[in-house]
Amino acid sequence: GAVVSQHPSRVICKSGTSVKIECRSLDFQATTMFWYRQFPKQSLMLMATSNEGSKATYEQGVEKDKFLINHASLTLSTLTVTSAHPEDSSFYICSARDAGGRTGELFFGEGSRLTVL
Amino acid sequence: DAKTTQPPSMDCAEGRAANLPCNHSTISGNEYVYWYRQIHSQGPQYIIHGLKNNETNEMASLIITEDRKSSTLILPHATLRDTAVYYCIVSSNSGYALNFGKGTSLLVTP
Repeated sequence: GAVVSQHPSRVICKSGTSVKIECRSLDFQATTMFWYRQFPKQSLMLMATSNEGSKATYEQGVEKDKFLINHASLTLSTLTVTSAHPEDSSFYICSARDAGGRTGELFFGEGSRLTVL
Repeated sequence: DAKTTQPPSMDCAEGRAANLPCNHSTISGNEYVYWYRQIHSQGPQYIIHGLKNNETNEMASLIITEDRKSSTLILPHATLRDTAVYYCIVSSNSGYALNFGKGTSLLVTP
């Protein structure tokens, strides 16, 4: 089945640095990818919708200048957490829907756990 | 998207069927019922989805009531590896993201 891969799976960084997380659709093209984050013992919260070749759409309360999203190709979207702080520590998950698929299911990556010291 | 209501937690003995309920009384005609699960520290995994008819695949069965206001996910023979949070999500089959509620935390015990 379709696979979405994220990298890195875990990252630890110092406060004030920037971290980039990659999300790839391995065997299908995705014009749209979605970024979620999940704090401990909470559900997934949609952060933004990444659109290939255009600007991302951010959910209310998510700072677009802090969470930079780039979707330069049909198989890759990146999320950059700029000037990370401890409160940005979270589990970041991307997802994509196979544009050519018929089931409409959303495929999720394995997640990237960010720890900001 | 229509809102869903699920019990916060359930237990099931290994080898028995796990029946996870979901209420979605405000579901509209073009909205599907999706089920995903999330094992600790992993991304969500697709289980099954349906519109009106009951559905079955290698993982589970989905029973949707005739009025579509509720559904039940059935894991026929639960194993310890089925311990996870199960999310019932209602959404149209389009390019939109899925909105996750709190789900049901299923604990399968030996």
